[in-house]
This record gives sequence, C-alpha cells and structure tokens, in this order.
Amino acid sequence: DVKVTQSSRYLVKRTGEKVFLECVQDMDHENMFWYRQDPGLGLRLIYFSYDVKMKEKGDIPEGYSVSREKKERFSLILESASTNQTSMYLCASSRLDRGYEQYFGPGTRLTVT
Amino acid sequence: QQQVKQSPQSLIVQKGGISIINCAYENTAFDYFPWYQQFPGKGPALLIAIRPDVSEKKEGRFTISFNKSAKQFSLHIMDSQPGDSATYFCAAINAGGTSYGKLTFGQGTILTVHP
Repeated sequence: DVKVTQSSRYLVKRTGEKVFLECVQDMDHENMFWYRQDPGLGLRLIYFSYDVKMKEKGDIPEGYSVSREKKERFSLILESASTNQTSMYLCASSRLDRGYEQYFGPGTRLTVT
Repeated sequence: QQQVKQSPQSLIVQKGGISIINCAYENTAFDYFPWYQQFPGKGPALLIAIRPDVSEKKEGRFTISFNKSAKQFSLHIMDSQPGDSATYFCAAINAGGTSYGKLTFGQGTILTVHP
C-alpha cells in the first residue's frame, strides 16, 4: 500500500519561530510537492521537487523554503513563522511521468500564535 | 491568478440524487483533467481523470463531462450516497509539457449528501 507520511498532524508555534515540516514517501517517486489548503482557496502549490536537490517555486513560495536531500524525503521550512501561515499543509508525491496522479499525506494543521 | 474556477463552493444533495460540480479553465495548454476526493482528516485522493480528446468518461457512479470549446468540465455523481460526502477538487495539468507534474487545483466543493 502506497504511503506518504507527514511528521505531525497538529503543530502549534509562536510567531517568529522556525518551523520544519517533514514528508516521507515510500513509492520511489521522483516528484514531491508541498501545498497549503485554505477554505475557499483550494490547494495552492508552495514548492515542488522533481529530483534530489532540485526545487521549483510554486504559486505561493514567499515565506517558505524547502529541502530535498534524499529521494524519499521533502521538507518544508518556515524561516520565521507568521500568523498568516496558519493553515493545513499537505505533502504529495508522484511519478515523473504521471504528474496528474499525486498521492497525498494526511496533512499537518499548523497554528501560528 | 486562479486558472481553474470551480463551483459551487458547497452542495447539499439528498440520497439518491445527482451531484454536479463544474469547473472552467483558462490555459489551453492544459491536457489532462483529474478530479480529487478528500474525506475529513485525510489527504485528497485521485478519483477520476479525463483527456480533452474525449467528451465523457464514466467510472461507476462518477462521470466526467468535458467541453473543450467552452473550456469547461464537470463531475456528475449519480445516485449520490452519504458516503460520497467529501470535498471535491477539480484540477488541470499540462502533462505533456515541462511542468514536472504541476497540478492547478480549483477552489474545492464541499458535498453533503443527506440520508
């Protein structure tokens, strides 16, 4: 059974803290993605990676950075968390040739106070 | 700029009824249109997908209708069941391009099916 796991289901951080969200996939997928989900706005792509050490900006990269040192692991970093980054964060992965078929993790609900 | 517009934002249907969710896109480079289903507490999962060279695709009670000239596509759920209650996202991708699998999602529709 294919699996994408995220390090935390719920996270509460203070404004200005550095936040790490970890994602691991066991499907040997080339592509990995970070989205944030907000009511009425759907899923918005923050960053994606199509190979180790490669990264591409998505639609809303401001305030975020990413790291992919191993194929199975993709990390999202909030350098200095702000209240407007309170959201649901979803990680996904896909094969390079089947980008339309993305497998999602369960999400991390991040609250920044 | 939102390139895929989805409506309605929420939908309430009685058991056995037909649920219809509509999407419209702007980018003519999109060449694959998947729908994702998300249950509470879970990540989205691929439900059904269509290419623009076909006008309709059916899988069980779920049907995608596609109108290329109007740049619109829709999801129909026949005989809707309470277990179909979920959030549905349409999406689009330029699968043949160099976008490396970058999906553009609609805003989502919260479907509630009453028993």
